[in-house]
Amino acid sequence: NAGVMQNPRHLVRRRGQEARLRCSPMKGHSHVYWYRQLPEEGLKFMVYLQKENIIDESGMPKERFSAEFPKEGPSILRIQQVVRGDSAAYFCASSPEVTQYFGPGTRLTVL
Amino acid sequence: DQQVKQNSPSLSVQEGRISILNCDYTNSMFDYFLWYKKYPAEGPTFLISISSIKDKNEDGRFTVFLNKSAKHLSLHIVPSQPGDSAVYFCAASQTYNQGGKLIFGQGTELSVKP
Repeated sequence: NAGVMQNPRHLVRRRGQEARLRCSPMKGHSHVYWYRQLPEEGLKFMVYLQKENIIDESGMPKERFSAEFPKEGPSILRIQQVVRGDSAAYFCASSPEVTQYFGPGTRLTVL
Repeated sequence: DQQVKQNSPSLSVQEGRISILNCDYTNSMFDYFLWYKKYPAEGPTFLISISSIKDKNEDGRFTVFLNKSAKHLSLHIVPSQPGDSAVYFCAASQTYNQGGKLIFGQGTELSVKP
């Protein structure tokens, strides 16, 4: 049973470009969570999704950030018009019920 | 507002001894607590969890203790091994009405010396 998959592992964007981060949950897991870790900080919750539904987006910045988990395919975290402050590690986690299992993360660098 | 705090940024322990990592929380509505281990450039790895209806959970070398009255939990690793050297995060959630989003502490870097 493969773990949580994230791609790309590393992403470099220039200011103003778009970043798309993908997450495939573990087989059988219907809950997907996105977290962000800024340098020298702990992980911060961003959004919780189930198939075709956003359940909790209380941690998402109000502008430029969006997330989806379509019926088919991976969950996508989209950041429009990236700025240097978006540089961070973005982790996806999936869960069958309570315990969350994390992917390896995508390290976004904004030049 | 830091609801979950790990006040020790680092801890150094001799191989074979016990490692004790501490975590405090402020929100009495948390009902599920987890510990994760993280190596650089990797995602957090789940170690052990405990429900608020228990005060202890054990899995091999890892034991988590929960003191609800003090809003404190701790992770004991015994015996400690050099491969345990990593950053340890505690996390808490309200599973019954907030979808189980995790609130993380800042992490404690454990170094186990041979």
